[in-house]
Amino acid sequence: DSGVTQTPKHLITATGQRVTLRCSPRSGDLSVYWYQQSLDQGLQFLIQYYNGEERAKGNILERFSAQQFPDLHSELNLSSLELGDSALYFCASTSWGGPTGELFFGEGSRLTVL
Amino acid sequence: QQQVKQSPQSLIVQKGGISIINCAYENTAFDYFPWYQQFPGKGPALLIAIRPDVSEKKEGRFTISFNKSAKQFSLHIMDSQPGDSATYFCAAQTSYDKVIFGPGTSLSVIP
Repeated sequence: DSGVTQTPKHLITATGQRVTLRCSPRSGDLSVYWYQQSLDQGLQFLIQYYNGEERAKGNILERFSAQQFPDLHSELNLSSLELGDSALYFCASTSWGGPTGELFFGEGSRLTVL
Repeated sequence: QQQVKQSPQSLIVQKGGISIINCAYENTAFDYFPWYQQFPGKGPALLIAIRPDVSEKKEGRFTISFNKSAKQFSLHIMDSQPGDSATYFCAAQTSYDKVIFGPGTSLSVIP
């Protein structure tokens, strides 16, 4: 158990809809990362937050947005969903300031858009 | 400049053999190079990592070799076991910054 919690684990929705994925980082971790993993694809970096502030942006679509709240949990909002958005969405957290820089991943939220 | 290349895309190794996965990066600002292991239906988990001030790091059957001048690093899995069958991702990162992953290598270890 990595200590990172993602909800929901599975989500099925229709094109055009909007969903919110939630991530609770490990206790004490200030930094949260979101990654998208499509079928047989690698981990595409979406966005990073550090202590509530956006730190870095990757290939995140304009239809997607995220935020990190004062209690450090994060939400990834996906809107106007398309079939191609079907993927596993991973959240990872790290403390930074630690010796290793290790990312601790949740088990992912599997989104299916029909 | 932010890309991390990884090869091969897939690898089949006999039990007891050596699995070798190679990665290359371009950004010289990267200062931490981890390898993550991912089993189906699970999130990736850190396997082993290295900083560029050393050329090799070994943990059990897993070894990272690092060539700073060539901007390349590789994962060697000695005495590969069926339980090692998973997807392996190399990554490169700078402290407090985004982590760039390679595209992954699907390893199958056959008995």
